[in-house]
Amino acid sequence: SQQGEEDPQALSIQEGENATMNCSYKTSINNLQWYRQNSGRGLVHLILIRSNEREKHSGRLRVTLDTSKKSSSLLITASRAADTASYFCATDHNDYKLSFGAGTTVTVRA
Amino acid sequence: DAGITQSPRHKVTETGTPVTLRCHQTENHRYMYWYRQDPGHGLRLIHYSYGVKDTDKGEVSDGYSVSRSKTEDFLLTLESATSSQTSVYFCAISERNRANTGELFFGEGSRLTVL
Repeated sequence: SQQGEEDPQALSIQEGENATMNCSYKTSINNLQWYRQNSGRGLVHLILIRSNEREKHSGRLRVTLDTSKKSSSLLITASRAADTASYFCATDHNDYKLSFGAGTTVTVRA
Repeated sequence: DAGITQSPRHKVTETGTPVTLRCHQTENHRYMYWYRQDPGHGLRLIHYSYGVKDTDKGEVSDGYSVSRSKTEDFLLTLESATSSQTSVYFCAISERNRANTGELFFGEGSRLTVL
């Protein structure tokens, strides 16, 4: 069964605003990863946060992890039209497989 | 971009016919995966491989089989396609060593329609 569940399912923001999406999971993880998917394309890895980390940054991306609540958030700052995509969290339970959620669709309006 | 090629990229077939999707990688990664993506379900793992001739089932493996006779190729076969197998299929690869921590690299997908 799927582990990660993203919230919200869809998000519409104005260019320049921040976008925040959340991911919850059920069982303990080795790490949690975020991916982006542009329409009609494959998924692209964005960032990985290990279970012993609480926050990680990569460019305009900020990821937090709260293992006590089994949740993570992805923040995209100063959004651009090119950030329009679907975003997926994926959990690694140290069994060489990733479990994906259903994703958050982000639309950035010009 | 990671060297992953899926073929065919698009296929329309009829119920009951066999279908084989191919994933080819040039990265020499040990792990290979087949996922399917359907609206509202995200990605669901069908089968995966952790080495040549070493494969295991994922969460939605019924109706699918796989084979990996070479490091670079991972084949997904639908023995007798059904309409419920209409989906977009993604191949992914990964490696786990000092330089790689298991992030997946995806192909561009194969869109399969079963009529």
